[in-house]
Amino acid sequence: AQKVTQAQTEISVVEKEDVTLDCVYETRDTTYYLFWYKQPPSGELVFLIRRNSFDEQNEISGRYSWNFQKSTSSFNFTITASQVVDSAVYFCALSEAHTGNQFYFGTGTSLTVIP
Amino acid sequence: DAGVIQSPRHEVTEMGQEVTLRCKPISGHNSLFWYRQTMMRGLELLIYFNNNVPIDDSGMPEDRFSAKMPNASFSTLKIQPSEPRDSAVYFCASPRGGNTGELFFGEGSRLTVL
Repeated sequence: AQKVTQAQTEISVVEKEDVTLDCVYETRDTTYYLFWYKQPPSGELVFLIRRNSFDEQNEISGRYSWNFQKSTSSFNFTITASQVVDSAVYFCALSEAHTGNQFYFGTGTSLTVIP
Repeated sequence: DAGVIQSPRHEVTEMGQEVTLRCKPISGHNSLFWYRQTMMRGLELLIYFNNNVPIDDSGMPEDRFSAKMPNASFSTLKIQPSEPRDSAVYFCASPRGGNTGELFFGEGSRLTVL
């Protein structure tokens, strides 16, 4: 079974629109960590954020914000006022303490921001 | 810090040839992960090491693939013999602060097997 599900395969938005990327995870651990990574067209994987399972406080970093809800096992990522440079594939990932902290990645959401 | 360093960045080889990909993790990181990325299958974990010991190699596709980590600063992923379906980008990554920290990825090795 998929531990991390990113149901949106591709999203296109017009520049300056807000966009939310969904991530749903599955775990039985009480201690786990959630991550978002960005993969721009150049191919490298860039770390964006890490949250632990005990901290449900939402986080904002510039135009980026993350909504962590344990009740729905979701860790959604919102980009406000999108820009062309935000065009990339975004991956959500889960790390569980009991599996030796192996990282599980979702299949990614390809975001295209149209100028 | 230099980050995770992978080589080669690009490799084109013919079917049947041996391929060796190399990785130097960030100094002080005790774990190392090898991932493969393809359009069809996304990011797949191949194997990961903790303190130079392979912990989980269940993602290694078949016996043609092997990985080693002879010391804390070097790892190799070998494919012998290579096949066209092995064409992919291979990433090496190491986590900061143990396995609960964020993964730092290398720039990847793009392999094309003709």
